[in-house]
Amino acid sequence: DTGVSQDPRHKITKRGQNVTFRCDPISEHNRLYWYRQTLGQGPEFLTYFQNEAQLEKSRLLSDRFSAERPKGSFSTLEIQRTEQGDSAMYLCASSLYEGQPQHFGDGTRLSIL
Amino acid sequence: QKEVEQNSGPLSVPEGAIASLNCTYSDRGSQSFFWYRQYSGKSPELIMSIYSNGDKEDGRFTAQLNKASQYVSLLIRDSQPSDSATYLCAVKVGNEKLTFGTGTRLTIIP
Repeated sequence: DTGVSQDPRHKITKRGQNVTFRCDPISEHNRLYWYRQTLGQGPEFLTYFQNEAQLEKSRLLSDRFSAERPKGSFSTLEIQRTEQGDSAMYLCASSLYEGQPQHFGDGTRLSIL
Repeated sequence: QKEVEQNSGPLSVPEGAIASLNCTYSDRGSQSFFWYRQYSGKSPELIMSIYSNGDKEDGRFTAQLNKASQYVSLLIRDSQPSDSATYLCAVKVGNEKLTFGTGTRLTIIP
């Protein structure tokens, strides 16, 4: 199996702009997760999908953040009106079914100028 | 009290020695426990998972879980310079999300 794929790897944008990240999970993994990691911290949970259903959202996920997984395959995470505090590594992970380990992609590093 | 606590290190271990990494968690309902390795600038890589009390061995790695003490550890035998990384402890409680510690930075000294 190919691993979790994320695009782009790096994104530099000006404050106030909108950005969108894509994640392609491991084939046949029906659970997909988004995390955010800042320097010196562990990843923090943002949201997760079972197939196309978004089942949980963290309080970290403000109204400026939205995630979709329209056909239960790839997912997108959009951040509107970016702020300096959004600078982080955005990690996507997938798992085959409940309780199974989550496997991470290489992440998208977002830098806000 | 943090949900998952790790000593941030750095932990320095001579090459060939045993590295011992520790993690405590606060929620007694925690069900699944994972160790991830993260190299600088890279994403977390799963190295061990453990679900029941006791030891689980995989090559040079041994995970130990003690639910009564709310404690999980990772032992790395015959440490190699390539083991130098940050090790993240992650805990799953009920729902699907993982809660991570801040990680322990391990340096293997040649």
